[in-house]
Amino acid sequence: DIQMTQSPSSLSASVGDRVTITCRASQGIKNYLAWYQQKAGKVPKLLIYAASTLQSGVPSRFSGSGSATDFTLTISSLQPEDVATYYCQKYDGAPLTFGGGTKVEIK
Amino acid sequence: VQLVESGGGLVQPGGSLRLSCSASGFTFSRYTMGWVRQAPGKGLEWVSDINDSGGKTYYTDSVKGRFTISRDNSKNTLYLQMNSLRAEDTAVYYCARAGSMSWYDYWGQGTLVTVSS
Repeated sequence: DIQMTQSPSSLSASVGDRVTITCRASQGIKNYLAWYQQKAGKVPKLLIYAASTLQSGVPSRFSGSGSATDFTLTISSLQPEDVATYYCQKYDGAPLTFGGGTKVEIK
Repeated sequence: VQLVESGGGLVQPGGSLRLSCSASGFTFSRYTMGWVRQAPGKGLEWVSDINDSGGKTYYTDSVKGRFTISRDNSKNTLYLQMNSLRAEDTAVYYCARAGSMSWYDYWGQGTLVTVSS
């Protein structure tokens, strides 16, 4: 099975900083990659699918890039409301594995 | 779009539970649906998917042979029958709707399953 590895597992950044989260697949998955945001105690929310397509209603400071095995989620200017854990997920075929998550905090 | 899970609770190891997910606000029969779980303090884990007609099902290895996903399109309801439950199945179980491929664009609020004696 393909493994999804996120890094870092946590990060602390200042408001306004550019934040980048990486997700690596153990085998190529083309662009079948989604990103989710989960705030504490809340339901996961879809941010990006097809590696770089922003879900409707998601702020434009979020962006995704990559293909095959290496993907990134970028927050161009971190806001206090972005404090959350972020997960990548592959969906090229079962199992639809999630990455381990990246917890983003404000410094 | 609304997804409402029910059926969670406390069950002893080896026991069974059936989760339900009632869907509204969209044409249920046109969408693949799935279950995702999250153990306390842990990350998201994909559990199972079922295609729009119910003819194709997929499972993570740890639940194969123990869990069965199904759907009743006439009732707009998704199910997860969970048998031979183990302590490691303890989690919040989310029902989710898949987009045109299997990313999940809508999620329910989740139902807590606790497996303990």
